Amino acid sequence: AQSVTQLDSHVSVSEGTPVLLRCNYSSSYSPSLFWYVQHPNKGLQLLLKYTSAATLVKGINGFEAEFKKSETSFHLTKPSAHMSDAAEYFCAIPAVPGGFKTIFGAGTRLFVKA
Amino acid sequence: DAGITQSPRHKVTETGTPVTLRCHQTENHRYMYWYRQDPGHGLRLIHYSYGVKDTDKGEVSDGYSVSRSKTEDFLLTLESATSSQTSVYFCAISELLTLGTSGAYEQYFGPGTRLTVT
Repeated sequence: AQSVTQLDSHVSVSEGTPVLLRCNYSSSYSPSLFWYVQHPNKGLQLLLKYTSAATLVKGINGFEAEFKKSETSFHLTKPSAHMSDAAEYFCAIPAVPGGFKTIFGAGTRLFVKA
Repeated sequence: DAGITQSPRHKVTETGTPVTLRCHQTENHRYMYWYRQDPGHGLRLIHYSYGVKDTDKGEVSDGYSVSRSKTEDFLLTLESATSSQTSVYFCAISELLTLGTSGAYEQYFGPGTRLTVT
């Protein structure tokens, strides 16, 4: 089975500074990987996805993630945090390659200070 | 917006009563899911459906049942609610991205139902 591990349960940054949310994956194959964002009292929303095309993936709201096979990582970054980025972020991977069930990481809550 | 609605959005019920949550989608997606979200546990899959009348258990299915008699509706029933089932429940659908020889499914979520069992 495939899995993801989010390395930080909470991350706090100041507005205007870079954001780094870390995700490592475990897979015997080259997996598809996703980042989802959940704003307070909302459902999860797809932020970006990696599906074996370009290793640097751009998403909505200025976020991007880089797939690094050698490090089994898919970290989410943003050059400059905005107050509206405060939310919980989930890394995700299919439970099995090509499967329709998804395994979600435990989540990283991002705090943005003014 | 994948056209997913959930009802009710909030519910308070008493221990021992049955509760049914409804998920409705407007875009004919084959796969539908029910998750619960609790602090410290992230998202956990309760049940899922891969077609009308085709359902299966997820990792936390005890005390829950589901039904899908139409493509657009996926119902989650708590047969006899307990306080441990106090949670936020999310419905999701998935859409297949086909890339080369492997497929990947991205999920779209409803707004959630906050259930409190007293």
